[in-house]
Amino acid sequence: AQKVTQAQTEISVVEKEDVTLDCVYETRDTTYYLFWYKQPPSGELVFLIRRNSFDEQNEISGRYSWNFQKSTSSFNFTITASQVVDSAVYFCALASSGTYKYIFGTGTRLKVLA
Amino acid sequence: GAGVSQSPRYKVTKRGQDVALRCDPISGHVSLYWYRQALGQGPEFLTYFNYEAQQDKSGLPNDRFSAERPEGSISTLTIQRTEQRDSAMYRCASSLTASVYNEQFFGPGTRLTVL
Repeated sequence: AQKVTQAQTEISVVEKEDVTLDCVYETRDTTYYLFWYKQPPSGELVFLIRRNSFDEQNEISGRYSWNFQKSTSSFNFTITASQVVDSAVYFCALASSGTYKYIFGTGTRLKVLA
Repeated sequence: GAGVSQSPRYKVTKRGQDVALRCDPISGHVSLYWYRQALGQGPEFLTYFNYEAQQDKSGLPNDRFSAERPEGSISTLTIQRTEQRDSAMYRCASSLTASVYNEQFFGPGTRLTVL
């Protein structure tokens, strides 16, 4: 069975602190994709990144970075120098190649305090 | 360009009533998905359309739930004889094709409350 675990329910940090959101996944498939989505207070789901299982290179986009480690089945998300606008619920999701169903984690609520 | 739109954004109904939730995907997107998101949870897959064909409805909880996409564009999710347990956020998403390589773009959702 496929599963995504986001053990951190809620994290609070002070602005400018770095924060890492954890995502652990389970799958028996060898080819799969991992995603991160952001759900700001307005409620929409905003796509952040997609990573396939064959690409373990870390990725950096501005203040955001992602660390994919197959050995530990983790796809963690780090925000550097957090800002109040980063406050949102962040979801990690998994999908196998050849399917279209996203399996979402329960989300991590990030609160960045000014 | 325009994203995925959903209407209504909020729907309050009484138990036993039928409701219809509408989704207007991004123009040109072949694939359309419905998810349900309970409070404090991630979205959970309900059903999937490729053009007008409903390819997968395995996530629909029971036969009170149905969906259609008659012209391969706008989709409607209908819940008959609503129950309080149906209260949730219903999200629609679309993607260019059904390939998992194409990310799904989500709409703002419809918050359904059944009294």
